[in-house]
Amino acid sequence: GQQVMQIPQYQHVQEGEDFTTYCNSSTTLSNIQWYKQRPGGHPVFLIQLVKSGEVKKQKRLTFQFGEAKKNSSLHITATQTTDVGTYFCAGLPWGAGNMLTFGGGTRLMVKP
Amino acid sequence: SAVISQKPSRDICQRGTSLTIQCQVDSQVTMMFWYRQQPGQSLTLIATANQGSEATYESGFVIDKFPISRPNLTFSTLTVSNMSPEDSSIYLCSVESDRGYYNEQFFGPGTRLTVL
Repeated sequence: GQQVMQIPQYQHVQEGEDFTTYCNSSTTLSNIQWYKQRPGGHPVFLIQLVKSGEVKKQKRLTFQFGEAKKNSSLHITATQTTDVGTYFCAGLPWGAGNMLTFGGGTRLMVKP
Repeated sequence: SAVISQKPSRDICQRGTSLTIQCQVDSQVTMMFWYRQQPGQSLTLIATANQGSEATYESGFVIDKFPISRPNLTFSTLTVSNMSPEDSSIYLCSVESDRGYYNEQFFGPGTRLTVL
């Protein structure tokens, strides 16, 4: 079945350092979404990527969708303590209707 | 965006009992989803609930263990039946955006269940 792998599982960074999480799908995706879950909170939608090779930016966050639409990345420039949380990618495979498959998540910890 | 509430927010239950979790949305939505998130883990889809039809369950989840109701377009319940400690988890409901091109999901705050 559909699998979405995400690395790394954990990342500790010093405030001000950059951070990247990578997401790989076993099958081609219709789109990929990114969510952030703060400690004790629920997942909150960040962005959706649909087009092959698409790049989107939200302030210090840069999201990329691979040319083959099977991988994606989230890069945070100059991390801040407010970036702490777990970042999940979620892929929507072709023909899967509305059912997202979530990656395992990357837990980001930022040392002030 | 949709505003979603869940009840209860948390509960501690005894083995063998059942708990029903309620999910209320502030607008009418076609599809509602129920997820399980075990401590420190990712989200696993339990089932998709459409109003007026039986829920569709994912592999590994069955109706006898997780019966779902969807009586109208703003409400759903998930029951965790005959609980065991392995059912200790956070249960989240979500709905899909009706923005057409975008189909992001909005999540409720979750129900933290501990089974003793």
